[in-house]
Amino acid sequence: DADVTQTPRNRITKTGKRIMLECSQTKGHDRMYWYRQDPGLGLRLIYYSFDVKDINKGEISDGYSVSRQAQAKFSLSLESAIPNQTALYFCATRSSGTGETQYFGPGTRLLVL
Amino acid sequence: QKEVEQDPGPLSVPEGAIVSLNCTYSNSAFQYFMWYRQYSRKGPELLMYTYSSGNKEDGRFTAQVDKSSKYISLFIRDSQPSDSATYLCAIPSGSARQLTFGSGTQLTVLP
Repeated sequence: DADVTQTPRNRITKTGKRIMLECSQTKGHDRMYWYRQDPGLGLRLIYYSFDVKDINKGEISDGYSVSRQAQAKFSLSLESAIPNQTALYFCATRSSGTGETQYFGPGTRLLVL
Repeated sequence: QKEVEQDPGPLSVPEGAIVSLNCTYSNSAFQYFMWYRQYSRKGPELLMYTYSSGNKEDGRFTAQVDKSSKYISLFIRDSQPSDSATYLCAIPSGSARQLTFGSGTQLTVLP
């Protein structure tokens, strides 16, 4: 089984709808991150969490919110989706005690019409 | 100026060629330098990382850092069609060690 899973893998929604993307991990890591990837722009950080009670904004948090329901679960919400939020979304995890490597999920492809 | 700039590509080479992928960065305080590989419809996965300057070799892959010119490179020797992917340089920074990525270079190795 994959260490970092994301659901759904693909999602089509309409402008103005609220949607939630979910991430779960079995690696036991404390740090979790949400990135979005756009063509030609690489990955950009949306939110990150040190643990359940510590959530922080990243570079491009406007229009997004997150919830860390448990150490293993970190969800990303789009409160009112807009077309320029069409992108590939990745969750990543990292252990604060064992180096710099982040482990990425398979991604969620989101299309906002 | 972006903190990390990457040659955009795309890059197409014949099988067996030597590939050079390059990034520059702006912050001289950066110490760790990473290369992620991303296959189509997959998440990025760590390929190599280096600390400070110098070279690091792993099989057909060599990561090189020149801190004096703020330049990082990934060399692939004897490239294979299975190396076809997008390669992203990444640098961890800040208290959260969030990754700042280059824009990625899409590599195609033709059989």
